[in-house]
Amino acid sequence: EPEVTQTPSHQVTQMGQEVILRCVPISNHLYFYWYRQILGQKVEFLVSFYNNEISEKSEIFDDQFSVERPDGSNFTLKIRSTKLEDSAMYFCASRRLGGTDTQYFGPGTRLTVL
Amino acid sequence: GIQVEQSPPDLILQEGANSTLRCNFSDSVNNLQWFHQNPWGQLINLFYIPSGTKQNGRLSATTVATERYSLLYISSSQTTDSGVYFCAVIQTSGSRLTFGEGTQLTVNP
Repeated sequence: EPEVTQTPSHQVTQMGQEVILRCVPISNHLYFYWYRQILGQKVEFLVSFYNNEISEKSEIFDDQFSVERPDGSNFTLKIRSTKLEDSAMYFCASRRLGGTDTQYFGPGTRLTVL
Repeated sequence: GIQVEQSPPDLILQEGANSTLRCNFSDSVNNLQWFHQNPWGQLINLFYIPSGTKQNGRLSATTVATERYSLLYISSSQTTDSGVYFCAVIQTSGSRLTFGEGTQLTVNP
């Protein structure tokens, strides 16, 4: 069964450094998402991406964040200058159709900012 | 935005017991998903169930969209069922999943 993959599984970085989290969505999916989960809290939406542009973003997704689909398979989340409070599990998700359809989640990247 | 409330927040069971988890939401939805978050943090899809009833082995789910709630049933629970169960919805006008706070389930042997 096809699945969403994410790399790395765990990333440790120093405050102020840039990080890029990578995702490979399911191949025939058209809609892509990033969510994050701070330890012990619920999962929160960051951004959705369709047709090579951001379709929706939350208030968390400020100028420090950017997303890109650099080729036909990868989907990346960049954090320009990491802060301590960016420490969280970051999940990528993808969906085949618009509107009503299942979002499939990757295994997550645990980001630790020191 | 839409509010998603899950109950109970914590549940402790003995192996073999049955349980019902509830998810209430405050507005019309076109997508509702149940997830199990395992001890490694992975979110496992359990059901896509914007309405109706589905069953998968020992798990089943029912969503009554007109009354804005969904139930997840776990029968004959096993220790491997332990973890956090999340309900997440998409408002009719949107595309983002909004998650509830989760139910922390512990199944003791």
